[in-house]
Amino acid sequence: GAGVSQSPRYKVAKRGQDVALRCDPISGHVSLFWYQQALGQGPEFLTYFQNEAQLDKSGLPSDRFFAERPEGSVSTLKIQRTQQEDSAVYLCASSLVGRRPNLAGGPEDEQFFGPGTRLTVL
Amino acid sequence: DQQVKQNSPSLSVQEGRISILNCDYTNSMFDYFLWYKKYPAEGPTFLISISSIKDKNEDGRFTVFLNKSAKHLSLHIVPSQPGDSAVYFCAASGRDSGGGADGLTFGKGTHLIIQP
Repeated sequence: GAGVSQSPRYKVAKRGQDVALRCDPISGHVSLFWYQQALGQGPEFLTYFQNEAQLDKSGLPSDRFFAERPEGSVSTLKIQRTQQEDSAVYLCASSLVGRRPNLAGGPEDEQFFGPGTRLTVL
Repeated sequence: DQQVKQNSPSLSVQEGRISILNCDYTNSMFDYFLWYKKYPAEGPTFLISISSIKDKNEDGRFTVFLNKSAKHLSLHIVPSQPGDSAVYFCAASGRDSGGGADGLTFGKGTHLIIQP
C-alpha cells in the first residue's frame, strides 16, 4: 500500500514479556517518528530517525524501550519486560524530509501516521 | 505539564453550522502548529497547519487562526458536515521546545460530533 503500515495491529502481552512492534514507512521517506498514545491522551513523542540514524530518543520513557531502523526504512520498537503502564497505542509516522517542519510549511513536511499498534499488558 | 491544551474534550455542532475548536499552548518556542483529524482505529491524518509568521491559513472549509500574543489557535470548519465527526488534535513544533524537539507535541484532542 501507499501509506504507513504497522504490525501487529493488536498485541496482548503478559507483564514481563518482551514485545516488538514494526513500522513500514512510506517508501522514500527520510524521517520516521514513534509516538505513544495512552487512553484519553494525545500522542506523545518517543523517538526520531533520519534515515538509519536515531537523532532523538528523548521521549523514550525508560531503558526498557529501544528502537532501531538499521537500513533506513523499516523500524522496530522493542519494549523489554513490559509493565502495565506500557499499555497504549504506539503510532509510527514518516515524512519525506528530515527534522522539523520549516516555517514556510509544505506537503513535504507532513507527518503521515500509521494506524497504530494497540498494546495491552496484563 | 501540558504544553498544548485542548480544554474541550467534546463538542457537538449541528450540520451546516460552524465548528470552532480551540487550542492553547504555553511554550513560546513553538513556531509551527498543526491540526490532525483522527477516526477510530486509524492513525491521525493531517488537516491544516500554520506557521508563526502567519495569523491565518485557509484550505477549503477549514481555517486555522493563530493569536501569538494569547498563545491561542483555533480551527474553524464551515459548513460542518457529518463526515467531520472525529477527534481533532492540535499539535505544535518548536526549534528548542525541550523534549521531543524533533517530534510534535499534541494536545489531548477534542471529539467533534456533527449532528444531522
